[in-house]
Amino acid sequence: AQKITQTQPGMFVQEKEAVTLDCTYDTSDPSYGLFWYKQPSSGEMIFLIYQGSYDQQNATEGRYSLNFQKARKSANLVISASQLGDSAMYFCAIINAGGTSYGKLTFGQGTILTVHP
Amino acid sequence: SAVISQKPSRDICQRGTSLTIQCQVDSQVTMMFWYRQQPGQSLTLIATANQGSEATYESGFVIDKFPISRPNLTFSTLTVSNMSPEDSSIYLCSVWNIEVHEQYFGPGTRLTVT
Repeated sequence: AQKITQTQPGMFVQEKEAVTLDCTYDTSDPSYGLFWYKQPSSGEMIFLIYQGSYDQQNATEGRYSLNFQKARKSANLVISASQLGDSAMYFCAIINAGGTSYGKLTFGQGTILTVHP
Repeated sequence: SAVISQKPSRDICQRGTSLTIQCQVDSQVTMMFWYRQQPGQSLTLIATANQGSEATYESGFVIDKFPISRPNLTFSTLTVSNMSPEDSSIYLCSVWNIEVHEQYFGPGTRLTVT
């Protein structure tokens, strides 16, 4: 079974500063992927970034980067230069890249990020 | 990236009735999934929608309560049957693009059962 743990129920950051959202995972599968999603109050799930377990470099997408530490089983999201529009719920998720659970996402409990002006 | 639409976007339904949610994708996709997000909670996978065959349900979800159809590679429906207030949730479909390792979600259907 796979598990995602997000230990920060809520985080606050000042506009234009960087913030790190924590995510640790547990899986026995050698091949897996890690996702981060943003969910604003509208309820939609917005894909932010993906990291594969065999990727050598940390993933980056614009202001988002993923600090992937495989030995520690952590996949923290770093948002640089925070904007007011970044205020939302953020979910970390793991996907199984093989077997009977192929393609299924397991989500953490989420972190509410509030950006202050 | 795939563009996914869902209908309806929201609905208020009475206890004991059923609601069918539609999910339409603008391109053919191999894998489609249905998730539920109860108020204040994270997302939980309901089932994998299989094209041309019965859906594969996760533990705690049954076909009689959540029948799913997937007649082709771009469309799926989820029915929430015999609803109770505990079914009040956001229901989201998703598609898994294997080639680029991206899983996208539809905008969701916000269901309230009274």
